[in-house]
Amino acid sequence: DAKTTQPPSMDCAEGRAANLPCNHSTISGNEYVYWYRQIHSQGPQYIIHGLKNNETNEMASLIITEDRKSSTLILPHATLRDTAVYYCIVRVASGGGADGLTFGKGTHLIIQP
Amino acid sequence: NAGVTQTPKFRVLKTGQSMTLLCAQDMNHEYMYWYRQDPGMGLRLIHYSVGEGTTAKGEVPDGYNVSRLKKQNFLLGLESAAPSQTSVYFCASGRGTSSPLHFGNGTRLTVT
Repeated sequence: DAKTTQPPSMDCAEGRAANLPCNHSTISGNEYVYWYRQIHSQGPQYIIHGLKNNETNEMASLIITEDRKSSTLILPHATLRDTAVYYCIVRVASGGGADGLTFGKGTHLIIQP
Repeated sequence: NAGVTQTPKFRVLKTGQSMTLLCAQDMNHEYMYWYRQDPGMGLRLIHYSVGEGTTAKGEVPDGYNVSRLKKQNFLLGLESAAPSQTSVYFCASGRGTSSPLHFGNGTRLTVT
């Protein structure tokens, strides 16, 4: 799986949009971009994933650049409960990736009141 | 629908003791995983299983054994615990390689 690069920490004001960047310049054409978060040592929680197109669900939006070398996770209206470590992970699509997810150190997002 | 349940939540062992961590999922998932997380670090894969009766080594398998006798359960064993195995252990399950993983809330193990 391709490697990802994320800033170690970010701050965001409560109520504002939190934009978390991720660089994955060596991504292959058959690899998805996944985002998970981990709140205060709980188990990681799945947020969203995408292959080429932008994706949106009830939690967040995922914007993938046209060349797929980077992406941005957007939390539209951040709350204090969104304070967590956010992991950007690249994973091969079906046919591979049976050995799960490779976690880096992620971005520690701190929502300020 | 409980999702992924880990037992126990906390455990303290003395060096050399053995124990088994249980992971149970009720989502009929084929794939199951055991990870460990040390302070300030991301999760590292210990072992995984792609179906009942199968197991495979991950990134850090030494000192651990696993079994998947039933589809819904994945057991992680420590035969002779060492202080280096003090960690938080997370279990996860998934439907397939292109599906998200669902994680349990962890087992906090301290080996003295």
